[in-house]
Amino acid sequence: EDQVTQSPEALRLQEGESSSLNCSYTVSGLRGLFWYRQDPGKGPEFLFTLYSAGEEKEKERLKATLTKKESFLHITAPKPEDSATYLCAVPLPPGKLIFGQGTTLQVKP
Amino acid sequence: EPEVTQTPSHQVTQMGQEVILRCVPISNHLYFYWYRQILGQKVEFLVSFYNNEISEKSEIFDDQFSVERPDGSNFTLKIRSTKLEDSAMYFCASSGEAQEDAEAFFGQGTRLTVV
Repeated sequence: EDQVTQSPEALRLQEGESSSLNCSYTVSGLRGLFWYRQDPGKGPEFLFTLYSAGEEKEKERLKATLTKKESFLHITAPKPEDSATYLCAVPLPPGKLIFGQGTTLQVKP
Repeated sequence: EPEVTQTPSHQVTQMGQEVILRCVPISNHLYFYWYRQILGQKVEFLVSFYNNEISEKSEIFDDQFSVERPDGSNFTLKIRSTKLEDSAMYFCASSGEAQEDAEAFFGQGTRLTVV
């Protein structure tokens, strides 16, 4: 069965304390992996797409990496405004995303 | 920056009533989707729509649900006879190409409360 699992469920960091979020997946024939950010009561906001093992993408304090079985979202020197739920998702043809349950990040000043 | 817009932002309805949730996808996108998120749970796929027909639907998307693109800009989700368990955030999304090749942009959601 196609599955996406994220860990940890919740993460509390002090401002400036770097960490990583994990997304593991069991999907036959991976066609890509998406990372989204979701603020409370809002829709998912696209961050990154990764297509192949070894690929990395960066945006400000975030860096996403992909291996054959999992993806990591590394957060370097986070700020309080990085507090949100981070979702990963994998696409399955002919056109749907399977989401993980998300990691809720809280960054304290 | 182009965005997906959804209306209303919040809808309260009585059990058994019909509701229509509305979405305006990004204007040059070809693929349209509805997802839902029950409070505290995962974002779940409901349906995808391309070339004026459903291309994929989940088990959740039963006969009580329907989608329509009534004109060149709107994309709607209708729930014929709402149940308490339909209470959730409903997100519309669109993408320019097949979703596995391109990012999907999501709207801000409609919070549906069935009482």
